[in-house]
Amino acid sequence: GAGVSQSPSNKVTEKGKDVELRCDPISGHTALYWYRQRLGQGLEFLIYFQGNSAPDKSGLPSDRFSAERTGESVSTLTIQRTQQEDSAVYLCASSGLAGVGNEQFFGPGTRLTVL
Amino acid sequence: GENVEQHPSTLSVQEGDSAVIKCTYSDSASNYFPWYKQELGKRPQLIIDIRSNVGEKKDQRIAVTLNKTAKHFSLHITETQPEDSAVYFCAASSRGNEKLTFGTGTRLTIIP
Repeated sequence: GAGVSQSPSNKVTEKGKDVELRCDPISGHTALYWYRQRLGQGLEFLIYFQGNSAPDKSGLPSDRFSAERTGESVSTLTIQRTQQEDSAVYLCASSGLAGVGNEQFFGPGTRLTVL
Repeated sequence: GENVEQHPSTLSVQEGDSAVIKCTYSDSASNYFPWYKQELGKRPQLIIDIRSNVGEKKDQRIAVTLNKTAKHFSLHITETQPEDSAVYFCAASSRGNEKLTFGTGTRLTIIP
């Protein structure tokens, strides 16, 4: 079956513009995560959705970042008034079951470049 | 919150030799420890994981050990091959919290 997909694969924008990044998780997966990976760095947790529970937003770096998820399907990460330091690869992951210890399957990422 | 430290940041080993990557964590409530491999330009993929109720797990050439008392866990790759070259990330998550905290990664290079 299809894995996690993300769009666009690349996004170049000008400083100050808003961007929307999309994630389609594996069908049936209840948990969805967003991470940021700067060049040569590790994975930085941004936000986590689990079913109908309130999302864990503890990793969002500023109020310019927000994310939504429609039920147990598509999620959109929005960055408002982009800054150059927002340039990174944004990775989405999903996992199938509630509870700790379930494999997270990653999407291919969206490479965001802010000029 | 959880803090995961990973060492070394880079590692070069001769093909056929073993490679060891070590991680420490801060939250004693953490009970799940996965390792991900990320090849250049590709997405991270789970290669092995361990839960806190076991001390060691092995899958062919890859093994992971966990010392709960010392709060550290390690990845061992034996008989390394060129295709093992990648960046490896450790991670930890706590009981009741599915959020993974990742280490900063180890760039492993296998020298033919």
